[in-house]
Amino acid sequence: QVQLQESGPGLVKPSETLSLTCTVSGGSVSSSSYWSWLRQPPGKGLEWIGYIYYSGSTNYNPSLKSRVTISVDTSKNQFSLKLSSVTAADTAVYYCAREGSYGSYYYFMDVWGKGTTVTVSS
Amino acid sequence: DIQMTQSPSSLSASVGDRVTITCRASQSITSYLNWYQQKPGKAPKLLIYVASSLQSGVPSRFSGSGSGTDFTLTISSLQPEDFATYYCQQSYSTPRTFGQGTKVEIK
Repeated sequence: QVQLQESGPGLVKPSETLSLTCTVSGGSVSSSSYWSWLRQPPGKGLEWIGYIYYSGSTNYNPSLKSRVTISVDTSKNQFSLKLSSVTAADTAVYYCAREGSYGSYYYFMDVWGKGTTVTVSS
Repeated sequence: DIQMTQSPSSLSASVGDRVTITCRASQSITSYLNWYQQKPGKAPKLLIYVASSLQSGVPSRFSGSGSGTDFTLTISSLQPEDFATYYCQQSYSTPRTFGQGTKVEIK
């Protein structure tokens, strides 16, 4: 079955760019799914960052839109997140997830990576 | 953005209890409502989609109901492995939004 694995630096300095990659195994990033990034600050709830379709079309959370870029590399079966100008408030566990669908209308995140902790600190 | 509000924020229950968690949307989301379970240090796990459809492999003691703005997750007989935090999430529109979570603890 489809599995996702996040990778990237665990420590990022303030004002720099956070970069994470999610590798898809057991399936193809070119399938008819949306590939998502979410995050969870320590002790808090879940925040949706955005998603990408294999064609490259994206949708971002307006609260982060000015700083976020999500891209896909079909040749590597990966998708990636870049978050610029980070501050301590961006410290969180970052998850990648597949947003699958039922009947092409109802969407839900049915496959998740294990998550990776990113700390923003000098 | 559609705001999702869960109640209660936490609850204490015993093994075998029937547990009900409520989720309210700030506007109608018809049946575009999903429920997730998260255990400490783990990724969320999909339990229920389209308000009442049980995800494959999820025990039948979990059930969901509701439509429009009001939804419920019910655990018919709480088991030791069910102690976790539960989140509702709407997929009616973007940005996708989650409730603040309900922590189910052992009494």
